[in-house]
Amino acid sequence: GAGVSQTPSNKVTEKGKYVELRCDPISGHTALYWYRQSLGQGPEFLIYFQGTGAADDSGLPNDRFFAVRPEGSVSTLKIQRTERGDSAVYLCASSLDREPTGELFFGEGSRLTVL
Amino acid sequence: GDSVTQMEGPVTLSEEAFLTINCTYTATGYPSLFWYVQYPGEGLQLLLKATKADDKGSNKGFEATYRKETTSFHLEKGSVQVSDSAVYFCALSDPGGGADGLTFGKGTHLIIQP
Repeated sequence: GAGVSQTPSNKVTEKGKYVELRCDPISGHTALYWYRQSLGQGPEFLIYFQGTGAADDSGLPNDRFFAVRPEGSVSTLKIQRTERGDSAVYLCASSLDREPTGELFFGEGSRLTVL
Repeated sequence: GDSVTQMEGPVTLSEEAFLTINCTYTATGYPSLFWYVQYPGEGLQLLLKATKADDKGSNKGFEATYRKETTSFHLEKGSVQVSDSAVYFCALSDPGGGADGLTFGKGTHLIIQP
């Protein structure tokens, strides 16, 4: 399909392990966002890419979280030394550009469970 | 910082009932306002938006009016259907306030019973 694709859809891991979550945005979309959604909460901003560069990473909770987008398309969110509190749905969204009207296209998310 | 507050759910209504989901916001700049919807098993998708005061966004029978004086963007529908059952998120975009992306409310789970 032509939408935002996220893999894996579900990931169960043990505390302390390393995890990678992948996002494949809509072709041609230069802006890419990662959000985290905890149970009963709305999505919370993590990081925003414009092209290959992280234009705003102010939402990353700590230095265990890192994201890359080396070729300006696919992005990977990396979580080191996972903790139980990292359990959440991680959402990726893309848009054609940094749109001031803010219309984003979301993937279905990657549900991370840390045991 | 920016924030969005929306009514707690779940909201349970009968089919053909009138729907209102309240949303208020605080923002540093002059935001654009949105309602996103998440149907079961699907990703978030834009339902409607408004970019300036007194604008009305509308889609699929839903409406919301940007009220700057009350800092509100309440979602309404005159006659809901079972297929409207979903989680609804109010959100704002405020790049003039220095924020990237969207700031979301906590979501309101809507359940429509036949």
